Amino acid sequence: LAKTTQPISMDSYEGQEVNITCSHNNIATNDYITWYQQFPSQGPRFIIQGYKTKVTNEVASLFIPADRKSSTLSLPRVSLSDTAVYYCLVALISSGSARQLTFGSGTQLTVLP
Amino acid sequence: EPEVTQTPSHQVTQMGQEVILRCVPISNHLYFYWYRQILGQKVEFLVSFYNNEISEKSEIFDDQFSVERPDGSNFTLKIRSTKLEDSAMYFCASVERATEAFFGQGTRLTVV
Repeated sequence: LAKTTQPISMDSYEGQEVNITCSHNNIATNDYITWYQQFPSQGPRFIIQGYKTKVTNEVASLFIPADRKSSTLSLPRVSLSDTAVYYCLVALISSGSARQLTFGSGTQLTVLP
Repeated sequence: EPEVTQTPSHQVTQMGQEVILRCVPISNHLYFYWYRQILGQKVEFLVSFYNNEISEKSEIFDDQFSVERPDGSNFTLKIRSTKLEDSAMYFCASVERATEAFFGQGTRLTVV
């Protein structure tokens, strides 16, 4: 399982763009990169997933360089409600077995007014 | 939007008692997971389940733990003899494909 490294915490102000970078130096060829968000006392919630280059959905963008050894989650124009812990996961996509998703320590994002 | 449902939301039990935590995964999902999160700590993998058997389990998932999918819809986690250190939030998750896992809201287990 590829190990991930993220900053422990980040602060931002409302309306700013926030970029959280995750390192995964030993990512394997078949691994995908997935980001989750967790609010206190709630289960993690899927944000976005990608394999390479850029992926965008209605809430975030995910940038993955060519070597795939890192990835950056970009949250446009954050609001106070985006205050949460953000986890980067690297996992093998396969069928026929339930491969574990390993959560790292995550990044506590605090959005200030 | 389909969701994973967990019951109860909060359970208090005495040390040494058995507890069963229940989960109803999303109906067409095939892969099921239990995680736990001790207050203030990270989400820890316990066990994964596919095709009616355990796929992977962590060191935490010792002989005191077991999982079942008794009726094709529920997915349960049983702790046979609870210890104080089992106090945590327990999350169930289900996956249809890839790694987009859907998590339930969790059961807060308090062992006294």
